[in-house]
Amino acid sequence: AQSVTQLDSHVSVSEGTPVLLRCNYSSSYSPSLFWYVQHPNKGLQLLLKYTSAATLVKGINGFEAEFKKSETSFHLTKPSAHMSDAAEYFCVVSDPRGGADGLTFGKGTHLIIQP
Amino acid sequence: GAVVSQHPSWVICKSGTSVKIECRSLDFQATTMFWYRQFPKQSLMLMATSNEGSKATYEQGVEKDKFLINHASLTLSTLTVTSAHPEDSSFYICSASLSSGLAGAEQYFGPGTRLTVT
Repeated sequence: AQSVTQLDSHVSVSEGTPVLLRCNYSSSYSPSLFWYVQHPNKGLQLLLKYTSAATLVKGINGFEAEFKKSETSFHLTKPSAHMSDAAEYFCVVSDPRGGADGLTFGKGTHLIIQP
Repeated sequence: GAVVSQHPSWVICKSGTSVKIECRSLDFQATTMFWYRQFPKQSLMLMATSNEGSKATYEQGVEKDKFLINHASLTLSTLTVTSAHPEDSSFYICSASLSSGLAGAEQYFGPGTRLTVT
């Protein structure tokens, strides 16, 4: 079985300061990991994904995440927050055995950007 | 590319009636589509996996007779909530995958359908 834990339900940062959204996963296999963002009343958008290639993954809008197997973590970072980054962020794990199984979502982290 | 649409975007229905939600992949063929449910301020929970031309696979605890899924073509899957009740009120989101059977295949999400049962 696989699971993902987002350690913070809410994160508040000032505009222009770094962002860190934490995620830990549990999987019996080498997982595929994703970060999705959900803006109010909009669909989920893929920020980035890890699928056993480079452990440091760069995504859209300046976000990146590092896969650390020893820590079973896949934290999302951004050097400088922008007001438009305010949204709900989901860390997601996929069953690596294939079969196009559905994704397992974390509970989400609500990112608040203070002006 | 890889756009997924849902219709309707929101619907209000009376208790006991049925509601159909459509999920379409607009510019690609989706072998596999997924249906998720999201309660307010909560995460997405997978309800079922739908493969074109075959019966959907439901997650544990999801009533297949209540949530009817049809995936008649490579670009359309429908979710019908039968005999809806207020507790079925939720945000229903579909996604579509380009690749079947590949680990880490990206899913493209629709904008969601908000269902309110009165």
